[in-house]
Amino acid sequence: GAGVSQSPSNKVTEKGKDVELRCDPISGHTALYWYRQSLGQGLEFLIYFQGNSAPDKSGLPSDRFSAERTGGSVSTLTIQRTQQEDSAVYLCASSPNLGNTIYFGEGSWLTVV
Amino acid sequence: GDSVTQMEGPVTLSEEAFLTINCTYTATGYPSLFWYVQYPGEGLQLLLKATKADDKGSNKGFEATYRKETTSFHLEKGSVQVSDSAVYFCALSDGPAAGNKLTFGGGTRVLVKP
Repeated sequence: GAGVSQSPSNKVTEKGKDVELRCDPISGHTALYWYRQSLGQGLEFLIYFQGNSAPDKSGLPSDRFSAERTGGSVSTLTIQRTQQEDSAVYLCASSPNLGNTIYFGEGSWLTVV
Repeated sequence: GDSVTQMEGPVTLSEEAFLTINCTYTATGYPSLFWYVQYPGEGLQLLLKATKADDKGSNKGFEATYRKETTSFHLEKGSVQVSDSAVYFCALSDGPAAGNKLTFGGGTRVLVKP
């Protein structure tokens, strides 16, 4: 597709379960970002991948959060042992190597019950 | 660290009214500045951007000027429409050296009534 694609669009999970969120960036974009949008915290940076470089994980809120990017394209954000405070919209974004405009997907809405 | 402050909403306007959303920033270097918009039920979309002082970004009738002296990037539109109802986010980026990561303001909800 033409844009950043995320799945699932909605996910309801029980507290303590693990969840995986998937992101397909725009074809050819080498940079990939994960952000979290929640009511109390606004938009928070989580993690950033650029090509084959080590990811910038400085925004991950705890060691329950991890992300990987396979083959320089698709990325998966994993949240282990989910807590209610993890409920949020998780946004993926990508950008071209030399550009500074970041394009966002529509997000994955996570609800932990 | 970097931060972005924007006026809290909601902002309620009548159609054809003038809209201003204030945004100020704190950054160590010379950031690029952005306005993103989130329409109901949709993802974040880039509305406009400016990459250096005194640049003016514009799109869809919206404008914002990069003011280094006041560290501001206020968003304006002369005549709003109902379709402009959305949440608007001001953001900055420190550029490629910082991974082009965006730091966002808290968002301002705008509601335009017919």
